[in-house]
Amino acid sequence: EVQLVESGGGLVQPGRSLRLSCAASGFTFDDYAMHWVRQAPGKGLEWVSGISWNSGSIGYADSVKGRFTISRDNAKNSLYLQMNSLRAEDTALYYCAKATRTQIAAPIDYWGQGTLVTVSS
Amino acid sequence: QSVLTQPPSASGTPGQRVTISCSGSSSNIGSNTVNWYQQLPGTAPKLLIYSNNQRPSGVPDRFSGSKSGTSASLAISGLQSEDEADYYCAAWDDSLNGFLVFGGGTKLTVL
Repeated sequence: EVQLVESGGGLVQPGRSLRLSCAASGFTFDDYAMHWVRQAPGKGLEWVSGISWNSGSIGYADSVKGRFTISRDNAKNSLYLQMNSLRAEDTALYYCAKATRTQIAAPIDYWGQGTLVTVSS
Repeated sequence: QSVLTQPPSASGTPGQRVTISCSGSSSNIGSNTVNWYQQLPGTAPKLLIYSNNQRPSGVPDRFSGSKSGTSASLAISGLQSEDEADYYCAAWDDSLNGFLVFGGGTKLTVL
């Protein structure tokens, strides 16, 4: 059974940093691209970033480019999101998500339960 | 403002057939496949349809998807109360360096 468990969320002041983690199990992690998708309270889904199976292809939404960095450790079956210079508009539930193939353009088929990030002074 | 356009709401009575539209452009729906997600209240999204019209195992055949040009549709037949949820379309966009785009979501109410 595919399991994606996010951690690292919390309350943080504007301008500060936070690092999210996603522990994956139930599938061969390094066979698939991975994504971070967020959902602000009461709003829709917004793609944040994606990374291919070997980290060779990485993409970011314009809203986070230059501030967020996605990475993965295939030996640890883990996905990460380093978030710097956080803003109030980054407040959201952040989902870790698995793609169906190695490349980031492949559809997402599994989602974690999310970790909540609140940016507020 | 989402790149893919969906109606904010839809409704139907039990047993009815409802459709939800998703409109995009040549750089996303026009050149890539469309996927649909169902998000029940308080839960994570779930893949409902992939590659325009394919159902993952476990998804009832009441759910179907189609695509034509730069638009796509999700149809739900034999509507049930448990279908009340938010529905999102998604597609890869080939603009710039490429990115994943979602529709704004459609809240389906079963009357």
